[in-house]
Amino acid sequence: QSALTQPRSVSGSPGQSVTISCTGTSSDVGGYDYVSWYQQHPGKAPKLMIYDVTKRPSGVPDRFSASRSDNTASLTISGLQAEDEADYYCFSYAGSYTLVFGGGTKLTVL
Amino acid sequence: EVQLLESGGGLVQPGGSLRLSCAASGFTFSSYAMSWVRQTPEKGLEWVSAISGSGANTYYADSVRGRFTISRDNSKNTLSLQMNSLRAEDTAIYYCAKIPKVTRFLEYSFDYWGQGTLVTVSS
Repeated sequence: QSALTQPRSVSGSPGQSVTISCTGTSSDVGGYDYVSWYQQHPGKAPKLMIYDVTKRPSGVPDRFSASRSDNTASLTISGLQAEDEADYYCFSYAGSYTLVFGGGTKLTVL
Repeated sequence: EVQLLESGGGLVQPGGSLRLSCAASGFTFSSYAMSWVRQTPEKGLEWVSAISGSGANTYYADSVRGRFTISRDNSKNTLSLQMNSLRAEDTAIYYCAKIPKVTRFLEYSFDYWGQGTLVTVSS
């Protein structure tokens, strides 16, 4: 199973919005309502930011939102803050009892 | 407070074996599926294996199926990963992760993670 496709890097200035895409196929991202997103700061464990495509766990700021169109899921971070600088990974069920991550996107806050 | 503490990582030769453990606390361990996820700088995060709360159902990535075995001891709140026939490409940080209370494998995500344990496969 191939990894989901994410841009290697994105950037934005404080206060701006950025969107990170996660492209798969109808057999994974587009086929099931179970895409999740993770934030990872250097040297730290990943943190769940979004689950079930659009749902935010308790404690995650509402600046983080997500959506999906066809086979592409997206994570949008509004009102960028310095602490948002991190790596972001998408994740999805990929059929046949397989789970797959995206390749990861490095977010730089300029 | 949910806590997951991995142990057992280290240096092992190709073809060797290693057993990872994850001590869980702060939640009713037997009620939740658990998983192992690994990470390398080159490939990023990779799902490795998962196990249902009862231990009756286990799941593996193609890259480890037949070599790795996931198990759990609900009486000791411990998750394990037995890794055999290790290869250089198994070198990674291995994370233990808790899965939210869902009933189907396809719904799996990871709401809590340990800090990871490093496995290095090299001669």
